[in-house]
Amino acid sequence: QLQLQESGPGLVKPSETLSLTCAVSGGSFNSRSYYWGWIRQPPGKGLEWIGSIYYSGSTYYNPSLKRRVSISVDTSRTHLSLNLGSVAAADMAVYYCTFGVAIDAVDLWGHGTLVTVSS
Amino acid sequence: QSALTQPPSASGSPGQSVTISCTGTSSDVGAYDYVSWYQQHPGKAPKLMIYEVNRRPSGVPDRFSGSKSGNTASLTVSGLQAEDEADYYCSSYAGTNNYVLFGGGTKLTVL
Repeated sequence: QLQLQESGPGLVKPSETLSLTCAVSGGSFNSRSYYWGWIRQPPGKGLEWIGSIYYSGSTYYNPSLKRRVSISVDTSRTHLSLNLGSVAAADMAVYYCTFGVAIDAVDLWGHGTLVTVSS
Repeated sequence: QSALTQPPSASGSPGQSVTISCTGTSSDVGAYDYVSWYQQHPGKAPKLMIYEVNRRPSGVPDRFSGSKSGNTASLTVSGLQAEDEADYYCSSYAGTNNYVLFGGGTKLTVL
């Protein structure tokens, strides 16, 4: 069964870059087209879409984060990366790795990883 | 861009039906049939319950249904069960810049 697993530092200093990786295990993406992306959730708050990368390599970002965010996939298409620059306290959240055959419908979620922003 | 608007809370007794609304604009909910609904239990990742306004993924009970009218989408949970108590989030494709908006979430309480 396909699974997504996020990994990365749980603590990032203000103004630095948050870098996370998501690994797919238990198989590979069989869909002929899919979106692989990131969604975050600040503690006690709602969900925020960060962005997605289409299987073709096209990227789509939340306009409010676009200047600071980058999403990429490795050549083997088994690892997804997220880089978010110039982080501040407002970026503290659980970051979820996501997969779906449509940009707006996430079929598969990772367990999520909490990132704290603090000096 | 603004988040979609959901009521912060909703409730119902076991066996009853509850409807949760999700209001957007003519640029998102009103423009596309790409509205999804997610269920999230405490400490867990969200789960897709409805996509493309009214389609259910495999394994989701038919007690969950979705609809849309104009700029407002709705999720109806019929025959409420204790396990339905959770937070529910709507999302919509927002087209122009190919991004996705979420609602603020609704906490559903089963009385």
